[in-house]
Amino acid sequence: GENVEQHPSTLSVQEGDSAVIKCTYSDSASNYFPWYKQELGKRPQLIIDIRSNVGEKKDQRIAVTLNKTAKHFSLHITETQPEDSAVYFCAASLGGNKLTFGTGTQLKVEL
Amino acid sequence: GAGVSQTPSNKVTEKGKYVELRCDPISGHTALYWYRQSLGQGPEFLIYFQGTGAADDSGLPNDRFFAVRPEGSVSTLKIQRTERGDSAVYLCASSSQAGGHTGELFFGEGSRLTVL
Repeated sequence: GENVEQHPSTLSVQEGDSAVIKCTYSDSASNYFPWYKQELGKRPQLIIDIRSNVGEKKDQRIAVTLNKTAKHFSLHITETQPEDSAVYFCAASLGGNKLTFGTGTQLKVEL
Repeated sequence: GAGVSQTPSNKVTEKGKYVELRCDPISGHTALYWYRQSLGQGPEFLIYFQGTGAADDSGLPNDRFFAVRPEGSVSTLKIQRTERGDSAVYLCASSSQAGGHTGELFFGEGSRLTVL
């Protein structure tokens, strides 16, 4: 089955700096890569996703890049704000919404 | 409803007991998913319903776990003879995307199960 690894497990940045979270996947047939944000005690919420026919996608301060050859994808958050503090999960899918999640990155944005 | 609703939000039970966890998806969403999230981990897929039928139950850990969705809306996850290792947050999600299509999963707040 699919295996997704995520790094780092914790990330601390100063407000206004950029944050980068990286994930690798094992199955080259995976074709859908969403990112979910989960605040403490809350539900995961989709923040951005990318499909395998696209190399990069951007939505305001958030961008995701995908390298199919290397089987890795990354989340980039620019101009970080305190409200960006949360756990971020990457995920991969071979088709449909049966997602394999990474282990999460605890992002802390410090004032 | 406005979002995915799950009950109970918290359930404490003793080892060996039977539990039921309920999920009410977003109205009109045909696809419903159950995931399990252990402390410090990402959600782990359990089962997926398309309408009333379980389209993929490959994530259910063993035959103590069972889920139903008799009318294609509300779903119940049932766990028999609970074990301490079953302790986790059980997340339900729904999607308007049918079949093998991908799209946003809308998660509920989860049911936190603690087996003593």
